Amino acid sequence: DSGVTQTPKHLITATGQRVTLRCSPRSGDLSVYWYQQSLDQGLQFLIQYYNGEERAKGNILERFSAQQFPDLHSELNLSSLELGDSALYFCASSFTEGANEKLFFGSGTQLSVL
Amino acid sequence: AQKITQTQPGMFVQEKEAVTLDCTYDTSDPSYGLFWYKQPSSGEMIFLIYQGSYDQQNATEGRYSLNFQKARKSANLVISASQLGDSAMYFCAMREGQTGANNLFFGTGTRLTVIP
Repeated sequence: DSGVTQTPKHLITATGQRVTLRCSPRSGDLSVYWYQQSLDQGLQFLIQYYNGEERAKGNILERFSAQQFPDLHSELNLSSLELGDSALYFCASSFTEGANEKLFFGSGTQLSVL
Repeated sequence: AQKITQTQPGMFVQEKEAVTLDCTYDTSDPSYGLFWYKQPSSGEMIFLIYQGSYDQQNATEGRYSLNFQKARKSANLVISASQLGDSAMYFCAMREGQTGANNLFFGTGTRLTVIP
């Protein structure tokens, strides 16, 4: 158990809908990362927060947004969903941001858009 | 250019034998970290081992060791005494210290199958 909690584990929804994925980082970790894993794109970095502030953006669509709350949990909001958004979404956390900081991943949320 | 390259889409190994999973990386940042993760069929990403660019010795964690060859920019994972539970996808990843500390770049992965 990595200590990172993601809910829900599975999500099935329809095109055009909006969903929210939730992540609780490991106790004491200040940095939260969101990744998308799909068969054709592999593991893609979406966005990172550190202590409530957005720190870096990767290949995140404008239809997607995220935030980190004062208690350090994070939410990833996906709207106007398309079939191609079906993927495994991971949250990861680390204590700080240095190159030697290990990222610990949650179990992921499997999103299926029908 | 790809930052992380894993050239072996699939590997087979006999139970109790050792196996090496290849990983090469590309960066001009002198400070970086190299990571290996395991993803079993259940989907979770499990951290295995870490190697820092300034580390003098190869990292080891139980049956896992990292063969770090800095000049060749390679960071191969060696799994000794393979077990059936080692069957999974294995991802090599890199985090740059100065130019990209916020992101972990992943390779495309190697699917390891352990044969009884």
